[in-house]
Amino acid sequence: GAVVSQHPSRVICKSGTSVKIECRSLDFQATTMFWYRQFPKQSLMLMATSNEGSKATYEQGVEKDKFLINHASLTLSTLTVTSAHPEDSSFYICSARVGMTEQYFGPGTRLTVT
Amino acid sequence: QKEVEQNSGPLSVPEGAIASLNCTYSDRGSQSFFWYRQYSGKSPELIMFIYSNGDKEDGRFTAQLNKASQYVSLLIRDSQPSDSATYLCAVESGGGADGLTFGKGTHLIIQP
Repeated sequence: GAVVSQHPSRVICKSGTSVKIECRSLDFQATTMFWYRQFPKQSLMLMATSNEGSKATYEQGVEKDKFLINHASLTLSTLTVTSAHPEDSSFYICSARVGMTEQYFGPGTRLTVT
Repeated sequence: QKEVEQNSGPLSVPEGAIASLNCTYSDRGSQSFFWYRQYSGKSPELIMFIYSNGDKEDGRFTAQLNKASQYVSLLIRDSQPSDSATYLCAVESGGGADGLTFGKGTHLIIQP
């Protein structure tokens, strides 16, 4: 149980284009999902909290107009990186909350912007 | 500013020995504590979580929490080479509503 999937696993895009990343909870419903970013040799940093049916809550310093989050159903949250630039290249990982507080992570999406 | 501190290592432990990983956190209001294992290029995998002071055991793993000292640790008994990975300590403050604050991780190497 508690399986979270992400798609795509890897994406390469050109600077200025937009990229959509999907996060799905496969065997449970997740009212709350989280999006993290991890740069090389650094730890995970929380970007935003995604709540089903409501607007996402963004962490300080994360541009909400650049990182669009939609949590349209209890099993799907999407992150769209708009007008991507090379500095947005990173490992993007979503997680879904199970039970009171445990979070299970998706396999991650490695974004490279050229 | 919530902070989670870990020794980055590498921590080298002989196979079969006990590996001890430590973590301190700054937010005294933190309620939930997690240990994740992350292999290079992969996403974190939940190993254990602990909410109450004391010890919690699960197989070869034991998590220890001391809220007064703002300290949480993970012991790995009978360490195996497959345990070689980066271990991330994570803290949650809001009773489930908040995301996790992660430490930078400790790189553990189990020597055969």
